[in-house]
Amino acid sequence: EVQLLESGGGLVQPGGSLRLSCAASGFTFSSYAMSWVRQAPGKGLEWVSAIVGSGGNTYYADSVKGRFTVSRDNSKNTLYLQMNSLRAEDTAIYYCAKESGDYGPNHFDYWGQGTLVTVSS
Amino acid sequence: QSVLTQPPSVSGAPGQRVTISCTGSSSNIVARYGVHWYQHLPGTAPKLLIYGNTNRPSGVPDRFSGSKSGTSASLAITGLQAEDEADYHCQSYDSSLSVVFGGGTKLTVL
Repeated sequence: EVQLLESGGGLVQPGGSLRLSCAASGFTFSSYAMSWVRQAPGKGLEWVSAIVGSGGNTYYADSVKGRFTVSRDNSKNTLYLQMNSLRAEDTAIYYCAKESGDYGPNHFDYWGQGTLVTVSS
Repeated sequence: QSVLTQPPSVSGAPGQRVTISCTGSSSNIVARYGVHWYQHLPGTAPKLLIYGNTNRPSGVPDRFSGSKSGTSASLAITGLQAEDEADYHCQSYDSSLSVVFGGGTKLTVL
């Protein structure tokens, strides 16, 4: 059974940093691209970042480029999102999602329950 | 403005059929990359409902079906049930191969 469990969310001041983690199990982690997707209060889903199975290629939405860094540790079956220079508009539930393949275009066949990030003073 | 446009809300009575549309702002998005659909109940993990316009993952009831016509895709739900009340999101890719979502549609079962 595929399981994705996010952690690391919380309250942070504007300009601060936070590191999210996503522990994966139930599939060959290194064989699949992974993504982070967020949902701000009252808004739709927004794709944030993706990383291929080897970790060799990463992709970002324009809204987070230069501030967020996605990485993965295939030996620990864990996906990360380092978020720096956080802004109020980054407030959202952050989901990690398994992609249906390695290089895209893919769909997201499994999602985690999400972790809440609140950016506020 | 989303690259993919969905109606903000739809509703239907139990047993009825509802459809949710997803229209691409560019003529080739839906045609070239296809559309996927997710069901999302607040506070839970989103769930894949339809992939590649028309394909249902195992375990998804056949009450859910997807279709594509030109620049639009649609999700149809027949035999509406109270448990179907949720948000529904379509997803595709833009011309730079970045993932794009529609704005989401809230389904209310009357």
